Amino acid sequence: AQKITQTQPGMFVQEKEAVTLDCTYDTSDPSYGLFWYKQPSSGEMIFLIYQGSYDQQNATEGRYSLNFQKARKSANLVISASQLGDSAMYFCACRSTLGRLYFGRGTQLTVWP
Amino acid sequence: DTGVSQNPRHKITKRGQNVTFRCDPISEHNRLYWYRQTLGQGPEFLTYFQNEAQLEKSRLLSDRFSAERPKGSFSTLEIQRTEQGDSAMYLCASSLGARDTSESLHFGNGTRLTVT
Repeated sequence: AQKITQTQPGMFVQEKEAVTLDCTYDTSDPSYGLFWYKQPSSGEMIFLIYQGSYDQQNATEGRYSLNFQKARKSANLVISASQLGDSAMYFCACRSTLGRLYFGRGTQLTVWP
Repeated sequence: DTGVSQNPRHKITKRGQNVTFRCDPISEHNRLYWYRQTLGQGPEFLTYFQNEAQLEKSRLLSDRFSAERPKGSFSTLEIQRTEQGDSAMYLCASSLGARDTSESLHFGNGTRLTVT
C-alpha cells in the first residue's frame, strides 16, 4: 500500500505570488504515478497534474508544475502567479499499476488579494 | 462526455435507515471506484469494479455496505442500518481501466450523506 503525507493543513499566499504545496509519499511499487487534484468548496475533484515515477523531467501544466525528487520521495506542487480562484483544497495522490489512488489529507490554500 | 454523475447530491437520513446512492460513470469507462471523504480528510478508497466484477474492497467497507455494478454500467452503493459515523461525502470515480499509472480518475460531484 502507498502512504501520502501532506504536512501543511493550510497555506496562505498573496495573489500573483507563487506557492509550493508539499507532498511526500511512500510506496514499494517500482512503477507508480503521482497526481495532484484540486477540490473547491463545491466538492468536485479536479485533476491538475501527473508525474510518472520514471519520468526524467518535472511535469508542467500551465501555472502548475510538479517538483519531483524521487530519491527524497517528494512530489511538491508549485502554483505560479496565484489567482483568487486557486483557493481550494489540494490533494496529492499516488497510484500503482493496480489502479486505485491513495490520497493525502490535503492542504487548504487561501489566496488573498 | 457528460462526466460522472452521482445521485442524489445530498441525503439526510435517520440512524438505522438504509440508503442507496447511484453513480453513472463516463460511458466508455470500464473501471468504477467508490471513495468516502470525511470533513478535513482526503478521499478513502472503498471499492472498485472492473466492468461488472467487484475486484477489491477496503477494510473500511463493513458488512453494512454493499456495492453493485450490474451489466458494468451504473453502480449503486447501499448502506444498511446507517450510523452517525457514516456521515460523509461519497465520491464515485471512473477510468478507462488501462494498466497505466498515468490514467487519471474522473470524479463525480459526490453524494453528501448526513445521518441524524
